[in-house]
Amino acid sequence: DAGVIQSPRHEVTEMGQEVTLRCKPISGHDYLFWYRQTMMRGLELLIYFNNNVPIDDSGMPEDRFSAKMPNASFSTLKIQPSEPRDSAVYFCASSSGLAGALSYNEQFFGPGTRLTVL
Amino acid sequence: QKEVEQDPGPLSVPEGAIVSLNCTYSNSAFQYFMWYRQYSRKGPELLMYTYSSGNKEDGRFTAQVDKSSKYISLFIRDSQPSDSATYLCAMKRPGGGNKLTFGTGTQLKVEL
Repeated sequence: DAGVIQSPRHEVTEMGQEVTLRCKPISGHDYLFWYRQTMMRGLELLIYFNNNVPIDDSGMPEDRFSAKMPNASFSTLKIQPSEPRDSAVYFCASSSGLAGALSYNEQFFGPGTRLTVL
Repeated sequence: QKEVEQDPGPLSVPEGAIVSLNCTYSNSAFQYFMWYRQYSRKGPELLMYTYSSGNKEDGRFTAQVDKSSKYISLFIRDSQPSDSATYLCAMKRPGGGNKLTFGTGTQLKVEL
């Protein structure tokens, strides 16, 4: 398996522009997570999906951020308009739910998208 | 106050040293405790996973959980330069829908 795939790997954009990050989870996984990592705040969960349905979006910083999962093999995280403080590494992760919601299912992370907003 | 606290380091040790990495937490509902390793410019990968209290050993790595003190540790024996990475602790409560809460990570450098 190719693992979690993210694109682009690097994105440099100007303030005010729309940014779209993409993720392809591991085939067969029914959970998908979007994280943001910065030096100051560490790794923060933004939103996660179960069976393509958003379950918890309490980590989404503001209305400028939106995420979709139109099918089991694709998700997007969109920032519009982008601001310099959005500069961070954005990770997508996926997991199965085989161990059940009461237990732990390993999350597999993608390589991340390094976003720089000028 | 954050739910999970972790000293960011950096921590620099000589090759062969025993390394101790730690996290404290405030939410007593956490039952699952993980350590992820993250190499520079890569995504985190699971290193060890422990349920509830106790120790777990895997090769040179030992994970320890003390729920009474809300304190978890990762020990690395005979540290190698290849262990140089950022180590993130993560925690989950039962029924949390696979949602993890991460520490900020400790940067470790093992020097020759």
